[in-house]
Amino acid sequence: GQNIDQPTEMTATEGAIVQINCTYQTSGFNGLFWYQQHAGEAPTFLSYNVLDGLEEKGRFSSFLSRSKGYSYLLLKELQMKDSASYLCAVVDSNYQLIWGAGTKLIIKP
Amino acid sequence: DTAVSQTPKYLVTQMGNDKSIKCEQNLGHDTMYWYKQDSKKFLKIMFSYNNKELIINETVPNRFSPKSPDKAHLNLHINSLELGDSAVYFCASSQDDRGPYNEQFFGPGTRLTVL
Repeated sequence: GQNIDQPTEMTATEGAIVQINCTYQTSGFNGLFWYQQHAGEAPTFLSYNVLDGLEEKGRFSSFLSRSKGYSYLLLKELQMKDSASYLCAVVDSNYQLIWGAGTKLIIKP
Repeated sequence: DTAVSQTPKYLVTQMGNDKSIKCEQNLGHDTMYWYKQDSKKFLKIMFSYNNKELIINETVPNRFSPKSPDKAHLNLHINSLELGDSAVYFCASSQDDRGPYNEQFFGPGTRLTVL
């Protein structure tokens, strides 16, 4: 079967750094997405990785290791508005998007 | 301009009723999707349409039927609503589902409550 694992919930402090991990076992791999979803809103695109390594985009960075079936999303200089759920999604061999359950990130002042 | 829009945003109805949710995208995308997100926040794919052809149909009850009058619209019809159908339903679209990079753009969601 296909499986994507993320922690259910994480807590961090405003101004700090947090790393949200995602591990996957899928039938094939054609890339990994990270989406952000604020409560009561739609998911919005954050990043896409298909090659190993780190992709940096402002305060957010995403890392991928295909050999380990592992990715993380790194958020720096946390702000209160970063409180949201972060969804990891993998594109499988049929180009279908397999979604994780999401990690709820709580930012405290 | 709204890229992916859904109506209604909220829908409250009685068990056994039939209802529809509409979705429109003005991005010129080839593929549209319907997702169900339940109280546990799992995002589950229900259907996708590519150029008016159904290409995914996960284990969804046949009370749910997608209808696509054209490439820009994918409506969701639900017959004989049940309590377990209560959830948020998201419509999404992507340029193409046949390549690895198929970033999906989501509508605002429709919160369905079945009483």
